[in-house]
Amino acid sequence: DQQVKQNSPSLSVQEGRISILNCDYTNSMFDYFLWYKKYPAEGPTFLISISSIKDKNEDGRFTVFLNKSAKHLSLHIVPSQPGDSAVYFCAASGDSGGGADGLTFGKGTHLIIQP
Amino acid sequence: DSGVTQTPKHLITATGQRVTLRCSPRSGDLSVYWYQQSLDQGLQFLIQYYNGEERAKGNILERFSAQQFPDLHSELNLSSLELGDSALYFCASSVGDLGAGELFFGEGSRLTVL
Repeated sequence: DQQVKQNSPSLSVQEGRISILNCDYTNSMFDYFLWYKKYPAEGPTFLISISSIKDKNEDGRFTVFLNKSAKHLSLHIVPSQPGDSAVYFCAASGDSGGGADGLTFGKGTHLIIQP
Repeated sequence: DSGVTQTPKHLITATGQRVTLRCSPRSGDLSVYWYQQSLDQGLQFLIQYYNGEERAKGNILERFSAQQFPDLHSELNLSSLELGDSALYFCASSVGDLGAGELFFGEGSRLTVL
């Protein structure tokens, strides 16, 4: 049973436009959410995170929005750049960290930025 | 470069065999995590060690075991291998065991079981 779901396996966006990646979760005990980015032949790298006490966190071109009532979060990238082409994983934790239960990851969304 | 080193990068073996994957965490990190990524699957948490002790267990099969040594490197042992064990195995590390959630991942070890 997938507790973290990324329903779009892939997404194609034109360079310069906004990319919106979505993630849904089912476990109401999750209170910390992260996005990781993965290039081919590399391990995932941390991108941005948000605590459940917030509904928005921004870091440069990346913004994560959290809607707790809908159990939904999204990652906005604006403007999208060719180097953003990668697989993006949504992850969640139930202890405000990546500790005791590990992080629960979604299956990932492959973002393709078209020139 | 995340600072997490995994060896080997690629491994091909036969069913029924046993392999060991090795991970060196970032300098100063006390926690090591193992994740499995099978085809079309997300990253599945297997097990975590913190400063030499098992801290948390996820979906790790009984045929799999791990340990963290005094120098903080970790090994994941996979035995009686089956075709379905073919996957990318990632190691990650973090400073503490209940931190801010950011894990630093290695490049992974790709295991192919024939």
